[in-house]
Amino acid sequence: GEKVEQHESTLSVREGDSAVINCTYTDTASSYFPWYKQEAGKSLHFVIDIRSNVDRKQSQRLTVLLDKKAKRFSLHITATQPEDSAIYFCAASLMSNYNVLYFGSGTKLTVEP
Amino acid sequence: GALVYQYPRRTICKSGTSMRMECQAVGFQATSVAWYRQSPQKTFELIALSTVNSAIKYEQNFTQEKFPISHPNLSFSSMTVLNAYLEDRGLYLCGAMADNQAPLFGEGTRLSVL
Repeated sequence: GEKVEQHESTLSVREGDSAVINCTYTDTASSYFPWYKQEAGKSLHFVIDIRSNVDRKQSQRLTVLLDKKAKRFSLHITATQPEDSAIYFCAASLMSNYNVLYFGSGTKLTVEP
Repeated sequence: GALVYQYPRRTICKSGTSMRMECQAVGFQATSVAWYRQSPQKTFELIALSTVNSAIKYEQNFTQEKFPISHPNLSFSSMTVLNAYLEDRGLYLCGAMADNQAPLFGEGTRLSVL
């Protein structure tokens, strides 16, 4: 089955700097890659996603890059704010069923004021 | 708007007892419901996927005998943790999906086992 690895377990940046979180996956059939955010004691909230028919997607301060050849995708957050602090999870899924998600181990992002 | 409601939010059960949790899709019809578990300090593991008109598919390490699931209609699913022990504690998430849409997650049921 699919195995998703999230490389940074923790990441600390200063407010206003950029943050990058990297993930790799193993199954070449995976074609949908969402990112979720989990604040302390809470559930998952959808952040942004990318499908394999594109290699870049931007939404305001968030950009996702996808390198299908390397089986790697990354989340870029610009102009970070303290409220961006949370645990970020990447995930991968087959396009045929977005609900079967394989999650990375999570990256705890701390944005220091 | 569309949301997923999970009940209860928190529960405590004695070791060896069972606990049922519910998942309700509001404002949309959930053609599939996936259950995930986040054990303490870990990531989210898929337990099983339930799709309307199909058999429930369990992931390796999870069985119907331990985590029976009911998905009687397009808005409701429930899962029971039978004979819960310490290793079953964690946050149980329900992800409900309408056709070709990204799944929506509920707030989860946090299970503690004494």
